[in-house]
Amino acid sequence: GAGVSQSPRYKVAKRGQDVALRCDPISGHVSLFWYQQALGQGPEFLTYFQNEAQLDKSGLPSDRFFAERPEGSVSTLKIQRTQQEDSAVYLCASSLVGRGTEAFFGQGTRLTVV
Amino acid sequence: DQQVKQNSPSLSVQEGRISILNCDYTNSMFDYFLWYKKYPAEGPTFLISISSIKDKNEDGRFTVFLNKSAKHLSLHIVPSQPGDSAVYFCAASPADSGYALNFGKGTSLLVTP
Repeated sequence: GAGVSQSPRYKVAKRGQDVALRCDPISGHVSLFWYQQALGQGPEFLTYFQNEAQLDKSGLPSDRFFAERPEGSVSTLKIQRTQQEDSAVYLCASSLVGRGTEAFFGQGTRLTVV
Repeated sequence: DQQVKQNSPSLSVQEGRISILNCDYTNSMFDYFLWYKKYPAEGPTFLISISSIKDKNEDGRFTVFLNKSAKHLSLHIVPSQPGDSAVYFCAASPADSGYALNFGKGTSLLVTP
């Protein structure tokens, strides 16, 4: 497709359940980013990949969060044992170069933990 | 600790008038600044950016001004149109880790006919 695609668009998880969120970046984009946007807040950086290498995971809030991009294209953000504070929109973005400046964002996955 | 601040949660402007959205930052290491526009249920869309070596960048109806000494930037939209109604996020990128954007909380702009 032409843009960054994320799936599912909406996910409702019971507390304690594991979830996996998928991101298909724009073809050829080297860099991929995950952001978390809580209600009423701006997006907050979670992690950054350059091709398949995860160069920065400093924004991941806990060790329950794990991201991968094994072939340098599609990425998955996994959250284990979800908690209510994990409820947020998870945004994926990609860009041609390493600098996340003109990054293109997907529509996001809205995760609700009940 | 919020390093990028948008102190006005909302702004209402009449169609045809100028919209001015403000943004302040605290980290002097930020050297690249961007504005993103977001419609409901969509991801943020890049609008305009400015490097710290400039104090103004213009793209059609959109102009971003940067005042480094005051650590302040603003986005001017003129003339404002109803289709500009959206949430506008200010974001900044530091020189040493340019891949991570720091976002403000956003300002919701409503342009009324």
